[in-house]
Amino acid sequence: DSGVTQTPKHLITATGQRVTLRCSPRSGDLSVYWYQQSLDQGLQFLIQYYNGEERAKGNILERFSAQQFPDLHSELNLSSLELGDSALYFCASSGPGLAGTDTQYFGPGTRLTVL
Amino acid sequence: AQKVTQAQTEISVVEKEDVTLDCVYETRDTTYYLFWYKQPPSGELVFLIRRNSFDEQNEISGRYSWNFQKSTSSFNFTITASQVVDSAVYFCALSEGSGTSGTYKYIFGTGTRLKVLA
Repeated sequence: DSGVTQTPKHLITATGQRVTLRCSPRSGDLSVYWYQQSLDQGLQFLIQYYNGEERAKGNILERFSAQQFPDLHSELNLSSLELGDSALYFCASSGPGLAGTDTQYFGPGTRLTVL
Repeated sequence: AQKVTQAQTEISVVEKEDVTLDCVYETRDTTYYLFWYKQPPSGELVFLIRRNSFDEQNEISGRYSWNFQKSTSSFNFTITASQVVDSAVYFCALSEGSGTSGTYKYIFGTGTRLKVLA
């Protein structure tokens, strides 16, 4: 158990809908990272927050957005969902060091299925 | 452009054999970080190692060792005396960005599936 929690574990929805994925980092970690893993795109970094501020951005679509709240939990919002958004979404957190350089601890992931 | 290449899609070895997973990267930055992650069949991602571009020392952790060579832009991972529990997909990743602003980007390789047979 990495100490990072993600909810829900599974999510099934329809095209065009909007969903919110939630992540709680390990106690004391300030950075939260979001990743998408799909069969055709592999593992992709989406976005990183450090202590409430966006710190790094990867291949995140405009239909996707994220935020990190004062209590450091993070939410990833996916809107206007398409079939191709079906994937496993991981959240990771890392400690108080300089963002991007610390060990990352991963949550169990949220499997999103868009029908 | 940044790129991480894991040319070995799948490797099968017999238990107790040594195996090396290759990772070649491309970056124009002088400051960057390299990572290895493990994804066992259960699906979770496990962080294995992080190495910064200024530290070319090889690292050993138990049966795992990493060989970082800037001259060949490689960061290879060796498992000694492999075990069935090592069966997983292993990802190499590159993180580069601005140390001043603290912003980084992460690029993953496509992964190498390692099968260790009993």
